[in-house]
Amino acid sequence: EVQLLESGGGLVQPGGSLRLSCAASGFTFSSYAMSWVRQAPGKGLEWVSNINANGGSTNYADSVKGRFTISRDNSKNTLYLQMNSLRAEDTAIYYCANRDNNGWFDYWGQGTLVIVSS
Amino acid sequence: EIVLTQSPATLSLSPGERATLSCRASQTVSTYLGWYQQKPGQAPRLLIYDASKRATGIPARFSGSGSGTDFTLTISSLEPEDFAVYYCQQRLNWPLSFGGGTKVEIK
Repeated sequence: EVQLLESGGGLVQPGGSLRLSCAASGFTFSSYAMSWVRQAPGKGLEWVSNINANGGSTNYADSVKGRFTISRDNSKNTLYLQMNSLRAEDTAIYYCANRDNNGWFDYWGQGTLVIVSS
Repeated sequence: EIVLTQSPATLSLSPGERATLSCRASQTVSTYLGWYQQKPGQAPRLLIYDASKRATGIPARFSGSGSGTDFTLTISSLEPEDFAVYYCQQRLNWPLSFGGGTKVEIK
């Protein structure tokens, strides 16, 4: 059974940093691209960042470029999102999602809540 | 950046009725369009990919159509568990993008 388990969310002050983790199991993690997708309270889905299977290629939404860094450790089956210079508008549930061989988000974690507030 | 516009924002229907949801792209996405369902407190679930292909385990009452800039998700006969929010998503270009969602609510 595929499982994606996010952790690392919490309350942080504006300008602060947070590192999210996503532990994967039940599939060959090193073979698939992974993404972070977020959802502000009561709002729609927003793609945040993507990393390819070997970690050599990354992409970011303009809203987080230069502030967030996606990475992965295939030896630990874990995806990360380093978030710096956090703003109130970064408040959201952050989901990690596996991208299947066709590029679609076929498995999602349960999400971790990040609140940016003073 | 490709902008996806979904309509209507809310669809009020009764169980057994047909639901037709629209997604329009600001530029062509060919058939690189997917649909997701999200229920309250849950992560999204992939329903349709490549515009018209049902994901594994998705009932046949869900169907997708379209290409280029105009796409439709149809639920042929609404079941109680189908009342949820639906999002379209394109994967043709970076940045990946989602539509704003259509809420299908019980009338």
